[in-house]
Amino acid sequence: DVKVTQSSRYLVKRTGEKVFLECVQDMDHENMFWYRQDPGLGLRLIYFSYDVKMKEKGDIPEGYSVSREKKERFSLILESASTNQTSMYLCASSPTGTGQGEQFFGPGTRLTVL
Amino acid sequence: GQNIDQPTEMTATEGAIVQINCTYQTSGFNGLFWYQQHAGEAPTFLSYNVLDGLEEKGRFSSFLSRSKGYSYLLLKELQMKDSASYLCAVSGESWGKLQFGAGTQVVVTP
Repeated sequence: DVKVTQSSRYLVKRTGEKVFLECVQDMDHENMFWYRQDPGLGLRLIYFSYDVKMKEKGDIPEGYSVSREKKERFSLILESASTNQTSMYLCASSPTGTGQGEQFFGPGTRLTVL
Repeated sequence: GQNIDQPTEMTATEGAIVQINCTYQTSGFNGLFWYQQHAGEAPTFLSYNVLDGLEEKGRFSSFLSRSKGYSYLLLKELQMKDSASYLCAVSGESWGKLQFGAGTQVVVTP
């Protein structure tokens, strides 16, 4: 079974802090994604990566950056956390090549910025 | 632009059938996914359609009409554990990248 893990289930930070959210997958997937999920807005893509050291902006990249130094790990960085970044953050991975492109999700990190 | 619409909430009784509709307008099309998400948990994959027609998987079926930009997820013989949010997602121009709808909260009552 594919396993996607995230470093924390719940996180509380203060405005202006630098925040790191870590995601690790164990199925050798090429693609990894970071989403945030807010009530009424659904899942919105922040950044994604098709390969190591490669990243592309999603729909809402402002205020975020990412790092992918190893294939299995994709980190989301909030350079200076703000209250409007309080949200549920979900990481996902998927294999590339043929196939349907199904994404496998981690359990999520609920981040509160005070 | 891209737009995916689905109803916000639906309520049905145990044992009944519920149909969740999803309409989409996207640049390109590489398939449509349905995910189930229980409160506080990660979304889990339910179904995938890339060709027109019905895909059946146990109590759940998913239908696609590409010409109409329309899909539905049919949940039969509803059980209390089916109470969850159901997410419609489309793979558009970029294979592997999904655009999600806001989700439909299904409430199953006794």
